[in-house]
Amino acid sequence: QVHLVQSGSEVKKPGASVKVSCKASGYTFTSSGINWVRQAPGQGLEWMGWISGYSGNVNYAQKVQGRVTMTTDTSTSRAYMELRSLRSDDTAVYYCARGRSIGAVLDVWGQGTTVTVSS
Amino acid sequence: QSVLTQPPSVSGAPGQRVTISCTGSSSNIGAGYDLHWYQQLPETAPKLLIYDNTNRPSGVPDRFSGSKSGTSASLAITGLQAEDEADYYCQSYDGSLRQVIFGGGTKLTVL
Repeated sequence: QVHLVQSGSEVKKPGASVKVSCKASGYTFTSSGINWVRQAPGQGLEWMGWISGYSGNVNYAQKVQGRVTMTTDTSTSRAYMELRSLRSDDTAVYYCARGRSIGAVLDVWGQGTTVTVSS
Repeated sequence: QSVLTQPPSVSGAPGQRVTISCTGSSSNIGAGYDLHWYQQLPETAPKLLIYDNTNRPSGVPDRFSGSKSGTSASLAITGLQAEDEADYYCQSYDGSLRQVIFGGGTKLTVL
């Protein structure tokens, strides 16, 4: 059974960075990619980017381009999302979700990681 | 403001049929990119409901169905049940923006 398990909640100060991990199991990690999606409190879903599990190629949303870096570690089947220069409006639940290619269906989702940015 | 437009809320009584629309443009749905639907129960991660416009993953009841025409798509739920009360999101890809896009979400209330 395919699972994505994310790291725990984080509390950060404005201007800091956060790195969230997503461990995949139940499938060949390099056969697909990972999307990162966030959801601010009471708001809808916002796509942040996609990384290929095979090549490491990335595609970032314009809104976070320049502040986000997505990486993978194929030896541990983990994907990472680092967001820098955090602001209060980055407070959200961050999800990883499997996607075969950019724009493809997000068929399996992680449980979510709450990131709170507060002074 | 989302690239894909959904009604903020819909409601129906148990047993009724409801539909949720998702309206896009010629650079996303109208360009032929597939449309997917997700269900998000309160305080949980989204779950895939419909993929590639009309397909249901295994385990999703056939009360849920999807359709697509032109620059719009719809999710239909028949035989409404209390457990269907959730937020529903449509998702596609926009060739002009070159990024994945979501609708703003629709809150379904079962009366």
